[in-house]
Amino acid sequence: EAQVTQNPRYLITVTGKKLTVTCSQNMNHEYMSWYRQDPGLGLRQIYYSMNVEVTDKGDVPEGYKVSRKEKRNFPLILESPSPNQTSLYFCASSLGGQQRNEQFFGPGTRLTVL
Amino acid sequence: AQTVTQSQPEMSVQEAETVTLSCTYDTSESDYYLFWYKQPPSRQMILVIRQEAYKQQNATENRFSVNFQKAAKSFSLKISDSQLGDAAMYFCAYRSGGTGGFKTIFGAGTRLFVKA
Repeated sequence: EAQVTQNPRYLITVTGKKLTVTCSQNMNHEYMSWYRQDPGLGLRQIYYSMNVEVTDKGDVPEGYKVSRKEKRNFPLILESPSPNQTSLYFCASSLGGQQRNEQFFGPGTRLTVL
Repeated sequence: AQTVTQSQPEMSVQEAETVTLSCTYDTSESDYYLFWYKQPPSRQMILVIRQEAYKQQNATENRFSVNFQKAAKSFSLKISDSQLGDAAMYFCAYRSGGTGGFKTIFGAGTRLFVKA
């Protein structure tokens, strides 16, 4: 089944404790992206990647890191989480070029930073 | 920078009636794509419909259709014959095309209530 998976689905942590949220897709998509969703703000893009070793900042990259060492994986790293990073996080992937531009979303990760 | 505005935080429609959700955007790009996504209580993001900016014809998907006014930078979603299952949060989204890569901007969303 074609899908985007995220782990964990729910995470409660404390300020300053490094964490990684994994994202994996099995559709051989070139593009991958991370978003955070907050009430009244919609989804905001954190980082995106156009291919292996190619990443770029979205609108809200502060406090986050990403890496794209393999095509299928795009982990989101919070080196020192803070309470304002409490949010619902989505990973998404898409084929590149002009062929298709639909983004496939993962199920979301609910993160709470105390 | 591109922006997407959904001016209706909430909308309500009677079952079987038609409702239109508004979306306006601002961009200086000529190559881009527009989308409407549905987010039910499960939080899953579901693509409803998409429109390529270079296409003049409005996209339709069964009961869902858009009114794409490129000059006015407007992209509204019309839901016909509304069903209880249409109740959800709806997001309008803009994605850069060409060398703009994968940069995507979402609106704040419109929560749609469907009355039985």
